[in-house]
Amino acid sequence: EVQLVESGGGLVQPGRSLRLSCAASGFTFDDYAMHWVRQAPGKGLEWVSGISWKSGSIGYADSVKGRFIISRDKAKNSLYLQMNSLRAEDTALYYCAKGKGFHAFDIWGQGTMVTVSS
Amino acid sequence: QSALTQPPSASGSPGQSVTISCTGTSSDIGDYKYVSWYQQHPGKAPKLMIYEVSKRPSGVPDRFSGSKSGNTASLTVSGLQVEDEADYYCSSYANSLVFGGGTKLTVL
Repeated sequence: EVQLVESGGGLVQPGRSLRLSCAASGFTFDDYAMHWVRQAPGKGLEWVSGISWKSGSIGYADSVKGRFIISRDKAKNSLYLQMNSLRAEDTALYYCAKGKGFHAFDIWGQGTMVTVSS
Repeated sequence: QSALTQPPSASGSPGQSVTISCTGTSSDIGDYKYVSWYQQHPGKAPKLMIYEVSKRPSGVPDRFSGSKSGNTASLTVSGLQVEDEADYYCSSYANSLVFGGGTKLTVL
């Protein structure tokens, strides 16, 4: 069964850092682009970042560029999001998603909640 | 990275057809064949319904179809069923990926 399981969310103060993880199973992880997509409470979806199948191409939304870093570990079948200088507006449910090409997301995890508040 | 424009709501009766629009610009929808549509039920993760404008992933009913004309993409749901009631989001590639604001589809 193809599965993505996110972890690492929680309550963090503004300006602090947090690292999200996404464990993938049921498919050849290294063959696919992977993404992070977030959804603020009661709001719509926002693409955060994506990384191509061999980390050759990485992209970020303007809202997180310079603060967030995406990475992947083939040996651990895992995707990561290092989030630095967190702001209140980063509060959201963060989904890990498997890429269909680099332009669509065909498998989603259940998300991990990040709350930035003092 | 401006968001794509979707109507906030749409509705139809069981068995009817409904079309949801997604308007972008010549820099995103108008320039690429990379429009996707996602269905999200309350408290659930989104589900891919259409990719590359009109392609359906395995398992998605053929009642769901996608199209594009100029800078506007559309999702049509034919033969509406109660379980189609959900939020629908479009997405397009534009040097990065951008979503629409979402449309709440109500099946009356």
